[in-house]
Amino acid sequence: LAKTTQPISMDSYEGQEVNITCSHNNIATNDYITWYQQFPSQGPRFIIQGYKTKVTNEVASLFIPADRKSSTLSLPRVSLSDTAVYYCLVGDPYSSASKIIFGSGTRLSIRP
Amino acid sequence: GAVVSQHPSWVICKSGTSVKIECRSLDFQATTMFWYRQFPKQSLMLMATSNEGSKATYEQGVEKDKFLINHASLTLSTLTVTSAHPEDSSFYICSARDRAGQETQYFGPGTRLLVL
Repeated sequence: LAKTTQPISMDSYEGQEVNITCSHNNIATNDYITWYQQFPSQGPRFIIQGYKTKVTNEVASLFIPADRKSSTLSLPRVSLSDTAVYYCLVGDPYSSASKIIFGSGTRLSIRP
Repeated sequence: GAVVSQHPSWVICKSGTSVKIECRSLDFQATTMFWYRQFPKQSLMLMATSNEGSKATYEQGVEKDKFLINHASLTLSTLTVTSAHPEDSSFYICSARDRAGQETQYFGPGTRLLVL
């Protein structure tokens, strides 16, 4: 199972773009990179998933370099409601044997 | 998107009693469900993987006789904390894998357990 490393915490201000980088040096060929958001006392919520290059949806973008040993979650124009813990995970979503192991996550705090 | 529910959302019980937590996939079939435990300010810790119709696979250090898991159907898995003690107080979260889905796992809202 690929281990991930993220910054423990980050601070930013409303309206700014926030980039959270995750290292996953041992990522396997079939692994995808998935980011989840978690608010206190709630289950994690899926944000975005990608395999390579760039993926964008209505809430975030995910940048993955060619070697796939890292990835960056980009949150455009954050608001106070984006204050949460963000988890980067790697795994094969098509493998019945695959399971998600959570790392420490990044605690993002947005200030007014 | 796919929805996973948990019941109850919170429970308080006396030490020594057993507590059952249900996890349901509401609009999809889940061949695999996962149970996590999360202590305050910590990350989620995988406890076990539950496959429909077979025995659960427990992570190292998780007592299978303490945390009984039953995955009776493609939409329901249950976690029973037997003879609960105060140290079992935690936030329990389940997730389900849609066997046809691109997204890896859908998570439930969690169940807060407080053992007095």
